[in-house]
Amino acid sequence: EPEVTQTPSHQVTQMGQEVILRCVPISNHLYFYWYRQILGQKVEFLVSFYNNEISEKSEIFDDQFSVERPDGSNFTLKIRSTKLEDSAMYFCASRDGTSGAGEQYFGPGTRLTVT
Amino acid sequence: AQSVTQLGSHVSVSEGALVLLRCNYSSSVPPYLFWYVQYPNQGLQLLLKYTTGATLVKGINGFEAEFKKSETSFHLTKPSAHMSDAAEYFCAVRPNSGGYQKVTFGIGTKLQVIP
Repeated sequence: EPEVTQTPSHQVTQMGQEVILRCVPISNHLYFYWYRQILGQKVEFLVSFYNNEISEKSEIFDDQFSVERPDGSNFTLKIRSTKLEDSAMYFCASRDGTSGAGEQYFGPGTRLTVT
Repeated sequence: AQSVTQLGSHVSVSEGALVLLRCNYSSSVPPYLFWYVQYPNQGLQLLLKYTTGATLVKGINGFEAEFKKSETSFHLTKPSAHMSDAAEYFCAVRPNSGGYQKVTFGIGTKLQVIP
C-alpha cells in the first residue's frame, strides 16, 4: 500500500541553524500539508500546498518557514533559523484530488529537537 | 471556523471492556469527521471517517463511530478492548468543501488498557 515517507526520523539542530525536513507524498496525490505536534499538545496545522503554491497557512507559519516541491516528488519544509520552541514532531500529509471526501494520509513524522 | 473537543485526556479500561472515547465538534459548515490513532513513536493512522450517508461508520480494528448532528458529536466506540488498542486517539474535523482544507485536531485521548 502506498504511504507517505519522511526523512530524517529524528533531527537535532542548534538554535539559529537552518533545517530542511523532507517528505515524499503518495505519488498521485495533489494536496500536501505540514502539521506539527509539540510534545504533549495537539496536532496543529501549519500549511497546505496545491498546484505549486501555498493554499493556506496558519499563524505559526511565519517568515521563518517555507515549503517547496522541488522535483515533483519531494515536498520540503524549511525552517530558516530554528528556535527552541520549534522542537516538535513534524508530520507531512497528502491527499488525492479525486474525491472531496478523501482523507489525508500522514507520514511517520520527523522529530525535531532544537538545542 | 472549526474546533474539536475531546473529553478526557486519559481513559483507562479493562481488557474486554467497552471503549468509549468522546468527541464533540464545532463547524460553521457541514463537516467531515475523522478518528486517527497514534501508536508510540509512530505517525497518525486513520481509523475511520464520516463524510456523507450512513451516520454509523465502521473502521479498522473493530472501532466504530456515530455522527450525531443534533449533538455535534462523533464518539468512538469498541465493544471489547484489546491490549493492542493502547494508543493515543485523535478526533479531527475538516470542512466538506475545498480540496486543500486543513484538518483540525482535538487534543487527543490516551487509552490505557488494563489486563
